[in-house]
Amino acid sequence: AQTVTQSQPEMSVQEAETVTLSCTYDTSESNYYLFWYKQPPSRQMILVIRQEAYKQQNATENRFSVNFQKAAKSFSLKISDSQLGDTAMYFCAFMNRDDKIIFGKGTRLHILP
Amino acid sequence: NAGVTQTPKFQVLKTGQSMTLQCAQDMNHNSMYWYRQDPGMGLRLIYYSASEGTTDKGEVPNGYNVSRLNKREFSLRLESAAPSQTSVYFCASQDPEAFFGQGTRLTVV
Repeated sequence: AQTVTQSQPEMSVQEAETVTLSCTYDTSESNYYLFWYKQPPSRQMILVIRQEAYKQQNATENRFSVNFQKAAKSFSLKISDSQLGDTAMYFCAFMNRDDKIIFGKGTRLHILP
Repeated sequence: NAGVTQTPKFQVLKTGQSMTLQCAQDMNHNSMYWYRQDPGMGLRLIYYSASEGTTDKGEVPNGYNVSRLNKREFSLRLESAAPSQTSVYFCASQDPEAFFGQGTRLTVV
């Protein structure tokens, strides 16, 4: 069965710093999607970024970028110039060819003023 | 453009009561999901539906039933609520990323 592991339950960084959230996954498939979701205190789940496994280029969305290492089954999220509004729970997720989306347990990120 | 609409937002049940959580999406997606979120556990898949007329169990299906009424609607039913079902429930549709409803905070006392 596919699994998603986020090894950092909680992190804190100063505003304007860069922070990297780790995610590893386990699969025997070659084609799949990976996602990072943000959940602020409002509880709403917001897509941050997505990566298709067949694409070698790392996805980027403004201040958010990923480091996708397919052979190592690693998918980390880098947040540059962090802002107070980035304070949230972040979930890494994997989608297989059966369309099931599996989530990690999350990393709680605090941006300190 | 409503996206995924989930009702109710809050609910308190007594042990043994039943209820149905409703979910509808207007994005013409084939796949829909129900997750529960508990502290420290992330989102765990209860049931999913890859297309109209099909449903499959996820990681934690015990105590729940689902109905894919049509392409738009996917409901989750608790037949006899238990305190262990106290959680936040999310409905989502997918293409390929998941689009989520606002969540339902359910408390079973």
